[in-house]
Amino acid sequence: EVQLVESGGGLVKPGGSLRLSCAASGFTFSSSGMNWVRQAPGKGLEWVSSISGSSIYIYYADSVKGRFTISRDNAKNSLYLQMNSLRAEDTAVYYCAKSSSSIWFDPWGQGTLVTVSS
Amino acid sequence: QSVLTQPPSVSAAPGQKVTISCSGSSSNIGNNYVSWYQQFPGTAPKLLIYDNNKRPSGIPDRFSGSKSGTSATLGITGLQTGDEADYYCGTWDSSLSAVVFGGGTKLTVL
Repeated sequence: EVQLVESGGGLVKPGGSLRLSCAASGFTFSSSGMNWVRQAPGKGLEWVSSISGSSIYIYYADSVKGRFTISRDNAKNSLYLQMNSLRAEDTAVYYCAKSSSSIWFDPWGQGTLVTVSS
Repeated sequence: QSVLTQPPSVSAAPGQKVTISCSGSSSNIGNNYVSWYQQFPGTAPKLLIYDNNKRPSGIPDRFSGSKSGTSATLGITGLQTGDEADYYCGTWDSSLSAVVFGGGTKLTVL
């Protein structure tokens, strides 16, 4: 069974840092593009970042560029999102999702909540 | 303000058909594949349609997708109360080098 499990969310003060992890199983992780998508409370989906299987191609939304870093460890079947200089507007549920070459996301993890508040 | 435009809400009676539109531009929908997602409150999104009109295994044929020019449409026939959810379209935007989603459409089955 293909499965993605996020962890690392929590409460952090503005300006602080947090590292999210996503553990993958049930598919060839090293061959798969991976992504982070977030959803602020009561809002729609917002794409955050994507990384190719070999980490050659990396993309960020303008809203997080320069503050967030996506990475992966194919030996550990894990995806990461290092979030620095966090702001209140980064408060959201963060989902990791596997992507295809034509950019559709399936499956999605269950999400991890990040709350940025003093 | 989302790059892709969806109606905030649609509604129809059980058994009826509904369509949800997703409008974009040549840099996104016009030249890239569109996917659709269903999301129930408190749960992760689920892939409904990929590559404009393909259904993953397990998705009933009541759900369909189409694309014409810079717009895409999700169709749902034989509406059931269990279809009440939020629906999102998504695609790649070649100018932005970014994945873009629509703002989401809340479906109410009256």
